Amino acid sequence: AQRVTQPEKLLSVFKGAPVELKCNYSYSGSPELFWYVQYSRQRLQLLLRHISRESIKGFTADLNKGETSFHLKKPFAQEEDSAMYYCALSGPYSGAGSYQLTFGKGTKLSVIP
Amino acid sequence: EADIYQTPRYLVIGTGKKITLECSQTMGHDKMYWYQQDPGMELHLIHYSYGVNSTEKGDLSSESTVSRIRTEHFPLTLESARPSHTSQYLCASSDWTARTDTQYFGPGTRLTVL
Repeated sequence: AQRVTQPEKLLSVFKGAPVELKCNYSYSGSPELFWYVQYSRQRLQLLLRHISRESIKGFTADLNKGETSFHLKKPFAQEEDSAMYYCALSGPYSGAGSYQLTFGKGTKLSVIP
Repeated sequence: EADIYQTPRYLVIGTGKKITLECSQTMGHDKMYWYQQDPGMELHLIHYSYGVNSTEKGDLSSESTVSRIRTEHFPLTLESARPSHTSQYLCASSDWTARTDTQYFGPGTRLTVL
């Protein structure tokens, strides 16, 4: 069965310091991975997905199949990055061209001014 | 404006009551989902739908039921609420694309059953 593990429940960093939010996954097929973010009093929203190989708000994430990881990184943290971050894996196939999302428990990032 | 709406945002209700959590989307999406999230825990899929008259159970067993009579509407019903149903319920929708369709979430309903 697929599983997403986010080992840190809370991560505190100082403004300007590098950030790395860890995500490890377990999936027998070829994974599609995402990072979702929830800012205070806002709804859950997509931050980035690995197939796009994009940088959003300075965040990047590289899929490492050997280590089964998809860590989220940002070189210089900003106060507005404080939020709850969820790693998610697309699978298993649920029919009609759709795959379910399996979420990790989330990591709360707190950026200290 | 294209969006996903959930009502009520907060609901406190007594044991045994029947409740319906509303979810509507003006995104034009075919697929809709209900997730349950306990505080500090991951989201668990409890129901999903590919389109009108299509409903499926998710990976987390739930006593709730759903219906999809209209594309834009995906209500969730609990016939007899219990304290164990206390949780946050998130509705989401996605477009028909390849397997990596992005899910868009509503603001959630926080349910407390006394």
